[in-house]
Parts: sequence; structure tokens; C-alpha cells
Amino acid sequence: DIQMTQSPSTLSASVGDRVTITCRASQSISIWLAWYQQKPGKAPELLIYKASTLESGVPSRFSGSGSGTEFSLTINGLQPDDFATYYCQHNNDYRTFGQGTRVEVK
Amino acid sequence: QVQLQESGPGLVKPSETLSLTCSVSGASIISHHWSWIRQAPGKGLEWIGFINYTGSTKYNPSLKSRVIVSLDISQRQFSLKLTSVTAADTAVYFCTRDFKGRSDSWSQGILVTVSS
Repeated sequence: DIQMTQSPSTLSASVGDRVTITCRASQSISIWLAWYQQKPGKAPELLIYKASTLESGVPSRFSGSGSGTEFSLTINGLQPDDFATYYCQHNNDYRTFGQGTRVEVK
Repeated sequence: QVQLQESGPGLVKPSETLSLTCSVSGASIISHHWSWIRQAPGKGLEWIGFINYTGSTKYNPSLKSRVIVSLDISQRQFSLKLTSVTAADTAVYFCTRDFKGRSDSWSQGILVTVSS
């Protein structure tokens, strides 16, 4: 089974900051990676798929990169609405989530 | 716009079977995969499994022995059955459209509690 490891588990940041979340796969998954945002009490929302393709309607301050085993999600200019938990998901064959990264107010 | 609405009991007794149904509107049920994902209280997301219109399924290996996902094309619904539940199966259960591997539409989620 492919394992997905996110880091950090918690990230403290301020509005306007550039933040980066990392996701590592236990073996190569090419670009079969998606990123989701989840706010408390809500269903997750898709942000990015195929590692770097922005889902329609998602602000351009979100970007994704990587391939193989190393991936990252970057938020350029953190907004108040971006304080949430972010999950990566491997989606080639099986679907496996990372454990999540909570972005909190510094 | 795709809309997904799950239904089913919010309380299940230990050792019994958890059964949920997801109704699909705004999308063709035969054109995509359909997934179940859950989230235990205060925990992360766990993919349970998916089904496509041919009835082909794939399950999380850790749950595979207890999970059945089925599809009713005529009713535009897909369902989840999880057998022999324990308190560890208490979670919010989401149904999603699985579009080329990514869940691009989600239900609101239903809390299922396993308790006697």
C-alpha cells in the first residue's frame, strides 16, 4: 500500500504569508495527487488535481507542484478564509489521504 | 451542478451492519466513479471505496473484508454496507463523485454513531 505523509501537521501563519505544505508518497505516484481544503463541520473541497492543475473556481493564490514522491501545496498571500485543514490524496488506483495539515492563526 | 445526498440511520449497534445510500442529481451516474469517504471525530479523511457504472469496485484494503459498495442506476443511487461495526467505525460518512481519481463533488456528510 502507498502511504502519504504530510508535513507539518500544524502550521502557524499570518494573513499575507506564503505557506507551503509538503506531501510525500512512499513510492512514485507520478502526478496522481490531489489537494483538498476542509473547514470545520464542512465537507472537503477540491483545490488541485494532477499535482498542479487548479480546480475551476479556486483562487490563483493556491498552487501545487511535484511529481513522483514529493509534492507541495503553496498558498501565496494567505487570506482569512484560508485558515483550514489541508489534505493530500493519492488517486492512482487506490485513493489514500495524507493525515492533514492544519493552518492556524499565528 | 452535481448534488449528492446521503441517507441512512445515524445510530448503529455494535456488531450490526451500517447501511447508507447516496442519491445523485445533476450528473450521469453511469459516467463516473462514486466513492465513500469517512472521517472519525477529530481525525483525518479515510477513503472507503468506489464503484463505477459497470459495478466494478475497489476498496480500502484495511476495510475490504467488511465493505460492500453497490450501485442502483435506475434510482441514481449508490450504497455502502459496512458489516460488524465497532465504535471505531463512528464517523462522518461522505459520498463523492470520483472524477478521474479526484473527489470533485461531496455530500454534506452524515454522522453515524456506533453505540448500544
